[in-house]
Amino acid sequence: EAGVAQSPRYKIIEKRQSVAFWCNPISGHATLYWYQQILGQGPKLLIQFQNNGVVDDSQLPKDRFSAERLKGVDSTLKIQPAKLEDSAVYLCASSWTGSLAAAYNEQFFGPGTRLTVL
Amino acid sequence: GNSVTQMEGPVTLSEEAFLTINCTYTATGYPSLFWYVQYPGEGLQLLLKATKADDKGSNKGFEATYRKETTSFHLEKGSVQVSDSAVYFCALRKTSNFGNEKLTFGTGTRLTIIP
Repeated sequence: EAGVAQSPRYKIIEKRQSVAFWCNPISGHATLYWYQQILGQGPKLLIQFQNNGVVDDSQLPKDRFSAERLKGVDSTLKIQPAKLEDSAVYLCASSWTGSLAAAYNEQFFGPGTRLTVL
Repeated sequence: GNSVTQMEGPVTLSEEAFLTINCTYTATGYPSLFWYVQYPGEGLQLLLKATKADDKGSNKGFEATYRKETTSFHLEKGSVQVSDSAVYFCALRKTSNFGNEKLTFGTGTRLTIIP
């Protein structure tokens, strides 16, 4: 089966510019996650969707970051305006969600988008 | 809250050496524990997992045992290869009815194997 797709793979922008990232999860996966991975750190969850609803966006800097998953399939993460500290890899992940074998639901990760803010 | 503390790197070993990467966690309840691997230029891949105390996860010669008494999930491999060079992340996930809780990651350990 196809994996999680992300685009673009790389993006370089100036500070105060806007940028958008796209993610297409594995077909049939109801849960979609966006993580931010700053160099030298582990990924940190920014936002989690269940179908087209937000489950957790407690660590999303809402003054500049926004995300949507309008039809419950693919998703877009936007930064406006970007700051130097937003330089990171943005990872999208998806998982099948259900009560059966819940303990085994695995998150599958895309290749990430590497953002450099100059 | 939940947290994962991981052995700091980088770690450099010779081929066929024994590998241990330490991981300890803080969490309420009984989380599931994971090791993810990130090869150069690639995304995160699940390496192994354990969902309850005393479970042993294993894959590709790597093993880790869920030790509730020491809140640890150390990664081991008996004989490493050059192809094992990557960044390794320990992670936990709270238990829920649907298994869709977020992952909490450690900072990662960069492993380099020299021939």
